[in-house]
Amino acid sequence: DGGITQSPKYLFRKEGQNVTLSCEQNLNHDAMYWYRQDPGQGLRLIYYSQIVNDFQKGDIAEGYSVSREKKESFPLTVTSAQKNPTAFYLCASSLPRDVLTFGAGSRLTVL
Amino acid sequence: GENVGLHLPTLSVQEGDNSIINCAYSNSASDYFIWYKQESGKGPQFIIDIRSNMDKRQGQRVTVLLNKTVKHLSLQIAATQPGDSAVYFCAERYSGGYQKVTFGTGTKLQVIP
Repeated sequence: DGGITQSPKYLFRKEGQNVTLSCEQNLNHDAMYWYRQDPGQGLRLIYYSQIVNDFQKGDIAEGYSVSREKKESFPLTVTSAQKNPTAFYLCASSLPRDVLTFGAGSRLTVL
Repeated sequence: GENVGLHLPTLSVQEGDNSIINCAYSNSASDYFIWYKQESGKGPQFIIDIRSNMDKRQGQRVTVLLNKTVKHLSLQIAATQPGDSAVYFCAERYSGGYQKVTFGTGTKLQVIP
């Protein structure tokens, strides 16, 4: 079955540590996205990538970094510079001008 | 700035009744609107979409209405079932070099058995 796989589902981080969230898709989608969701709030765009080896900052990119070395993969690193990283992180992908398909999400908690 | 918002944060309906979830948008350049359903601890799932050249679109038990005059979007769910309990997000997209999707804050639908 085609879809988007995010891992890990739950992740705990100590202050000052960088962590990387994985996102893999086998839908052959060109575009991939990372969103952050806080309790009771909507989704805010962190980074997006329309093609391999290219990505752009979204609305809340500070403290995050990404790479897009392969079409299937779009990992997100939450760096120690992100002051409030505890959140639910959602990866999505799409074809051009098509609806976004989301993964199941990764919940990051800072201890 | 542009934003998409919802009138009601929580909606409680009796099982079998119809549900109506409303959404206001402010970007007149948006040409595509989507409704997503998100169950607890999961990623959003696509429900139905509508393009700006339409004012109504129907799916299975769901209907989306678009009123561009007042920049209003609604999702109607017929014969609401317990499995419909979730948070519903509207989203808008406007054309450009990158078709950015902006999400509203969500409405929680609670179905009372």
